[in-house]
Amino acid sequence: QQPVQSPQAVILREGEDAVINCSSSKALYSVHWYRQKHGEAPVFLMILLKGGEQKGHEKISASFNEKKQQSSLYLTASQLSYSGTYFCGTEFLIQGAQKLVFGQGTRLTINP
Amino acid sequence: DAGVIQSPRHEVTEMGQEVTLRCKPISGHNSLFWYRQTMMRGLELLIYFNNNVPIDDSGMPEDRFSAKMPNASFSTLKIQPSEPRDSAVYFCASSLESGGAKNIQYFGAGTRLSVL
Repeated sequence: QQPVQSPQAVILREGEDAVINCSSSKALYSVHWYRQKHGEAPVFLMILLKGGEQKGHEKISASFNEKKQQSSLYLTASQLSYSGTYFCGTEFLIQGAQKLVFGQGTRLTINP
Repeated sequence: DAGVIQSPRHEVTEMGQEVTLRCKPISGHNSLFWYRQTMMRGLELLIYFNNNVPIDDSGMPEDRFSAKMPNASFSTLKIQPSEPRDSAVYFCASSLESGGAKNIQYFGAGTRLSVL
């Protein structure tokens, strides 16, 4: 049930771009993206509800391919503040209820 | 709004002792979630409530774990007896509803539990 994220870790220099992928073996209702900084709680970034939908948040955007059961998070011109662990959460139907399950996370390190 | 409030922030206890973690969700939110986070297993959903009713407790590890939500503004997660492998950060989160666009979850600061 747990979605698979790739890569597990990324190291970038400030200003570089990154892509984080999330794939599920189940048909999805939605995909959620959260960021967690070290020692803090996860913080919501965005939610994608429809197949092929793209959303953006500052220089962070995401796409959701409902047919392929995949989502990607795009970070452009990365800033130091983008460092942290990114989690995708995939929402699917199980026993009549919608359930959100988080992936293992992708650790992003931005160096000056 | 003050956000989701968890207490205590840190708990150190000895094996065999009872541990109670507390959570106050955001006012007006109808869904409440308990998660456990470890390096090995990541962020695991333990149980969630809708309108104070437990909906899915399939993530609760074993009978030593129990959760209650006596009213809309308070929930507890209890471990009795505690074991060293229960050491983790426990997060509580709340959302307007448990599915779709209204399932944006707001996390509390977490309780770091150490069982010696």
